[in-house]
Amino acid sequence: GQNIDQPTEMTATEGAIVQINCTYQTSGFNGLFWYQQHAGEAPTFLSYNVLDGLEEKGRFSSFLSRSKGYSYLLLKELQMKDSASYLCAVRDGNYQLIWGAGTKLIIKP
Amino acid sequence: GAVVSQHPSWVICKSGTSVKIECRSLDFQATTMFWYRQFPKQSLMLMATSNEGSKATYEQGVEKDKFLINHASLTLSTLTVTSAHPEDSSFYICSASGTGLAGGPMDTQYFGPGTRLTVL
Repeated sequence: GQNIDQPTEMTATEGAIVQINCTYQTSGFNGLFWYQQHAGEAPTFLSYNVLDGLEEKGRFSSFLSRSKGYSYLLLKELQMKDSASYLCAVRDGNYQLIWGAGTKLIIKP
Repeated sequence: GAVVSQHPSWVICKSGTSVKIECRSLDFQATTMFWYRQFPKQSLMLMATSNEGSKATYEQGVEKDKFLINHASLTLSTLTVTSAHPEDSSFYICSASGTGLAGGPMDTQYFGPGTRLTVL
């Protein structure tokens, strides 16, 4: 079966750095997405990786290792507004998007 | 770019009535639209995928006669929850992917703000 694993919840301090991991087993691979979802709102697109390596976008970076079936989202200089759920989603060999359950990130002052 | 709207943002209805939710892509042509539902503290559950001008493809376990999807144009898809019951109460979210979009790869899904449905 197809599976995506993320930690359920993480806590970090304002101003710090946090890394949210995502591991996947899918039938084929055509890219990995990270989305941010604030409570009661719809997800917003953060990043996309299809080749190995690091993609940086301001305070957020996303890394992919296809051989390890592994990705992480790195958030720097954490702000209170970064408190949200972070969803990892993988596009499989049939271009279907498989969603992880999301990681709830709690930022403390 | 890549703005998706949904209407209404919330709705309360009586059991047995039907509710229609609209999803619009405001600044791009949505060749594909997706409908999700999400229960509290749970992940997104894909209900169906629709391509403009063709019938929607429903995920296993989703009743197509209960959740009617129409994707009549490149900017509009509708989801009608027919004969709604309290167990249909949920957060319904649409997303769209299409052409002429900057910021993400082809097929990136952009989400509407969601519709919270409460069935009494």
